[in-house]
Amino acid sequence: DVKVTQSSRYLVKRTGEKVFLECVQDMDHENMFWYRQDPGLGLRLIYFSYDVKMKEKGDIPEGYSVSREKKERFSLILESASTNQTSMYLCASSPGASFQPQHFGDGTRLSIL
Amino acid sequence: EDQVTQSPEALRLQEGESSSLNCSYTVSGLRGLFWYRQDPGKGPEFLFTLYSAGEEKEKERLKATLTKKESFLHITAPKPEDSATYLCAVQAFSGGYNKLIFGAGTRLAVHP
Repeated sequence: DVKVTQSSRYLVKRTGEKVFLECVQDMDHENMFWYRQDPGLGLRLIYFSYDVKMKEKGDIPEGYSVSREKKERFSLILESASTNQTSMYLCASSPGASFQPQHFGDGTRLSIL
Repeated sequence: EDQVTQSPEALRLQEGESSSLNCSYTVSGLRGLFWYRQDPGKGPEFLFTLYSAGEEKEKERLKATLTKKESFLHITAPKPEDSATYLCAVQAFSGGYNKLIFGAGTRLAVHP
C-alpha cells in the first residue's frame, strides 16, 4: 500500500512565523502535490513537483513556497504565516505515468493565531 | 471553464437503503475520473479510476459508472461504516498542466 506521511497532524503557529510542513512518501513516486482544503471551497492545488528539485505553481501559490531535495520528500513553506492560511493541508503523490490516481496523507490541520 | 459538480451535497440513508451519488463534469479533454472517500480528520482515500464512457468498477457495496458527462457512485445496501464524504475528481489539462479538479463532495450519513 502507498504510504504518504505528513509530519504533524495538528500545528499552531503565530502570525509572521515561518512554517514548514513536511511530507514523505514510500512508493518511489515521481509526482508530489500540496493542497489546502477549506469548507465550501474543496481541495485547491498550491504547488506540485514532477521530479527532484523541480516545482510548479498550482492554482493558489501566493504566500507559499516548496522544496524537493529528495524524491521521497516534499516540503511546503509558509514564508510569513497569516491568519488566512489557517486550513487543512494535504500532501499527495502519484507515479510518473500519466493519469494515475494520487494518494493522500492524513493532512495537517494548521491554525495561525 | 473546467468544472466538477457533485450532488446532492448531503445524503442521509437508512441502513440497507440503496442510492446513488452524482458527479457531473465539464472539462476539455477528460483524462480520467477518480472517486475518493474521506473520513473526518483524514485525507482522501482512493476508491476508483474510470477512464472511458461505459466503464464500470466495483468494490464491496460500491459501484462507479461513467458516461460522457457524468459519473455515478452507486451504494447498495449501505452500512453505517459507509458514512463519509465522497469526492469526485477529474484529471484534465487545464491552466497549462495536467491537474485534478475536485468536486465539493457529498456527505453521506447511513443510520442503523
